[in-house]
Amino acid sequence: QITLKESGPTLVKPTQTLTLTCTFSGFSLSTSGVGVGWIRQPPGKALEWLALIYWDDDKRYSPSLKNRLTITKDTSKNQVVLTLTNMDPVDTATYFCAHYDPLILFDYWGQGTLVTVSS
Amino acid sequence: SYELTQPPSVSVSPGQTASITCSGDELGDKYTWWYQQKPDQSPVLVIYQDSKRPSGIPERISGSNSGNTATLTISGTQTMDEADYYCQAWDSSTAVVFGGGTKLTVL
Repeated sequence: QITLKESGPTLVKPTQTLTLTCTFSGFSLSTSGVGVGWIRQPPGKALEWLALIYWDDDKRYSPSLKNRLTITKDTSKNQVVLTLTNMDPVDTATYFCAHYDPLILFDYWGQGTLVTVSS
Repeated sequence: SYELTQPPSVSVSPGQTASITCSGDELGDKYTWWYQQKPDQSPVLVIYQDSKRPSGIPERISGSNSGNTATLTISGTQTMDEADYYCQAWDSSTAVVFGGGTKLTVL
């Protein structure tokens, strides 16, 4: 079955760069049509899509965060990495990664990881 | 950028039908997805491509999309349906867009 798990720091300081890793199993990012996305959710607030990477290395970013985001993949390791630069307290959120299917979209989600931005 | 609007909250009595709307410009020309999220849990996909249910989602959960509004309908609402619900669409310029979420209360 498909599983995903996010990992990374739980606490970052303002202005630092956040690096999160999504490690998955049950599918390959070399399969045509497949992708992995990142979505975040500030405490008590709505979901916000961040980025998406496809099997062919095509990438899409949220327009509002495009200048701060980078998404990459390591197909051999079954990992997707998200970096978010210049962190601010408003970036405090639970960050989820999810399996992307071109028709079903985000059908499997990781458990999420809470990242707090504080000095 | 494209935006989706949902009511912040909807209340329904057990056994009744709950309808949660999601509005966006010409939303009916796009596909809509719906996610259910219970407290301290990850979102779960309940509807994709407007009206299709993933395996394991009960038939009493349904979706429709026309004009500027997509609707998630839960028939015979149960206490287990109490959750936050998010609509999502795909826009050519914005890619993935989520609505602001609707808290469904069953009381």
